Amino acid sequence: GENVEQHPSTLSVQEGDSAVIKCTYSDSASNYFPWYKQELGKRPQLIIDIRSNVGEKKDQRIAVTLNKTAKHFSLHITETQPEDSAVYFCAASKGGGATNKLIFGTGTLLAVQP
Amino acid sequence: DTGVSQNPRHKITKRGQNVTFRCDPISEHNRLYWYRQTLGQGPEFLTYFQNEAQLEKSRLLSDRFSAERPKGSFSTLEIQRTEQGDSAMYLCASSRNTGGFNEQFFGPGTRLTVL
Repeated sequence: GENVEQHPSTLSVQEGDSAVIKCTYSDSASNYFPWYKQELGKRPQLIIDIRSNVGEKKDQRIAVTLNKTAKHFSLHITETQPEDSAVYFCAASKGGGATNKLIFGTGTLLAVQP
Repeated sequence: DTGVSQNPRHKITKRGQNVTFRCDPISEHNRLYWYRQTLGQGPEFLTYFQNEAQLEKSRLLSDRFSAERPKGSFSTLEIQRTEQGDSAMYLCASSRNTGGFNEQFFGPGTRLTVL
């Protein structure tokens, strides 16, 4: 069935360091991979996404890489700041299909220590 | 606020009672999704509407759950005969339908506590 695994479950870094979160998906038909940030008590918000026809995408301090062969994708945050502290969720979807439902990973709690 | 809105934000009920939640999507978004999120987990897909048509339901959606989107605008999610295992955050999301890869915008959620 459809499944997304996410690691690590918690990540603590010093301010200014980089953070990397990794996800693996099971459905080879998945072709859209968004990342959501959820602050405590808030709604999930999209921070970056990537489509399967692209291997890497960058937006300022955030980048996402995709390895379709291995069915892996990763989120990279550089120069972390305390306001980056939140739970990050990866997701996979068969975009362009009938539903486009998102299959989420279990989340990574990122703590950026000042 | 032109984002997705959900009401109520919190609901406490006793086991066996029925509850109903409402979601107002972003106007002009014709796709609407319901997800459920339990503590320490990612959101899990429950059901999907395109306009007023409910096109997919998860196996998670038992027969005690029903969702509607009567006029293709707001949606309601009803849970009958609530159980303690129904306690969770119920999230609604909406997106455009442009045939491609569309961002899903989430609402703030309704937190349900079943006593």
